[in-house]
Amino acid sequence: DAGVIQSPRHEVTEMGQEVTLRCKPISGHDYLFWYRQTMMRGLELLIYFNNNVPIDDSGMPEDRFSAKMPNASFSTLKIQPSEPRDSAVYFCASSAGGARYGYTFGSGTRLTVV
Amino acid sequence: GQNIDQPTEMTATEGAIVQINCTYQTSGFNGLFWYQQHAGEAPTFLSYNVLDGLEEKGRFSSFLSRSKGYSYLLLKELQMKDSASYLCAARWGKLQFGAGTQVVVTP
Repeated sequence: DAGVIQSPRHEVTEMGQEVTLRCKPISGHDYLFWYRQTMMRGLELLIYFNNNVPIDDSGMPEDRFSAKMPNASFSTLKIQPSEPRDSAVYFCASSAGGARYGYTFGSGTRLTVV
Repeated sequence: GQNIDQPTEMTATEGAIVQINCTYQTSGFNGLFWYQQHAGEAPTFLSYNVLDGLEEKGRFSSFLSRSKGYSYLLLKELQMKDSASYLCAARWGKLQFGAGTQVVVTP
């Protein structure tokens, strides 16, 4: 199993540009999560999906952020327009329905907005 | 709120034992996870407790007391590679993470 795959690994963009982060969850996992990690705020849950349906997006910072999951094997997190304060590591994680084995995280996307 | 509290940093020597405590708000609680995160890497799952008691996995053990809103992660026979951040995460529907405890293992 290749695990949770995220792309790109690193992204440097200018303020105001659109940024799209991608995630492929583990096959068979029905939950997908987007987290953001910064030194100041730690790991924050942005949004999660169950069976491709967004369940809770209360952690999405503002309207500049949007997430989609068009099918069971792909999700995107988009920031438009990006701002320097969006600089962080963005993790995607997936899990099967039971919590026993936790969430499996992808390697993350390190986003720098200059 | 649903606060999770854990110490910021702990230092221990190779071969020793370290216990990382975590407290959380009990209302609506539904499971406690521990994750390990090395610098620049993704968190990796260590353990899950939903019932009171101790779960042992090799050198790592995790304990939970639901009534007290308390958990600990015990790392035994510390190795240099155990130097990492250890994240306590509690589930209230969704999983929320504490700020992490940075464990530094010295020779």
